[in-house]
Amino acid sequence: GQNIDQPTEMTATEGAIVQINCTYQTSGFNGLFWYQQHAGEAPTFLSYNVLDGLEEKGRFSSFLSRSKGYSYLLLKELQMKDSASYLCAVKDSNYQLIWGAGTKLIIKP
Amino acid sequence: ETGVTQTPRHLVMGMTNKKSLKCEQHLGHNAMYWYKQSAKKPLELMFVYNFKEQTENNSVPSRFSPECPNSSHLFLHLHTLQPEDSALYLCASSQVERETSYEQYFGPGTRLTVT
Repeated sequence: GQNIDQPTEMTATEGAIVQINCTYQTSGFNGLFWYQQHAGEAPTFLSYNVLDGLEEKGRFSSFLSRSKGYSYLLLKELQMKDSASYLCAVKDSNYQLIWGAGTKLIIKP
Repeated sequence: ETGVTQTPRHLVMGMTNKKSLKCEQHLGHNAMYWYKQSAKKPLELMFVYNFKEQTENNSVPSRFSPECPNSSHLFLHLHTLQPEDSALYLCASSQVERETSYEQYFGPGTRLTVT
């Protein structure tokens, strides 16, 4: 079967750095997405990785290793507004998105 | 209006009611999606429409019936729902070219409670 694993919840301190991991087993791979979802709001697109390596976008970076079936989202200089759920999703061989359950990130002052 | 809009934002219905959820995208995309989001569970893809044709139906019960009259509008018709259908229903759209689909843009969702 297809599976996306990510931690249920993480806690970090304002101003610090946090890494949210995502591992996947899917039938084929055509890219990996990270989305941010604030409570009661729509998920919003953060990043897309299809090749191995690190993609940096401001305070957020996303890393992919296809051979290990692994990705992480790195958030630097954490702000209170970064408190949200972070969803990992993989596009499989049929170009359909397989979603993880999301990681709830709690930022403390 | 910009992006993806959904109405209503909240809906409480009895198990014998019939209601419809509406989604509209203002992004010029050619694919639209219905998802179910339950607490602490992955997003569940329910239906996909590419170029107004339904291309995916992930074993969704017949009490959920989608309708896509054009590439900008998507409906989810609900009837005789069960309490376990209570969830956040999200609509999304994306651009699909050949076999590649780009990132999806989500609406704010409809919080559905079945009593």
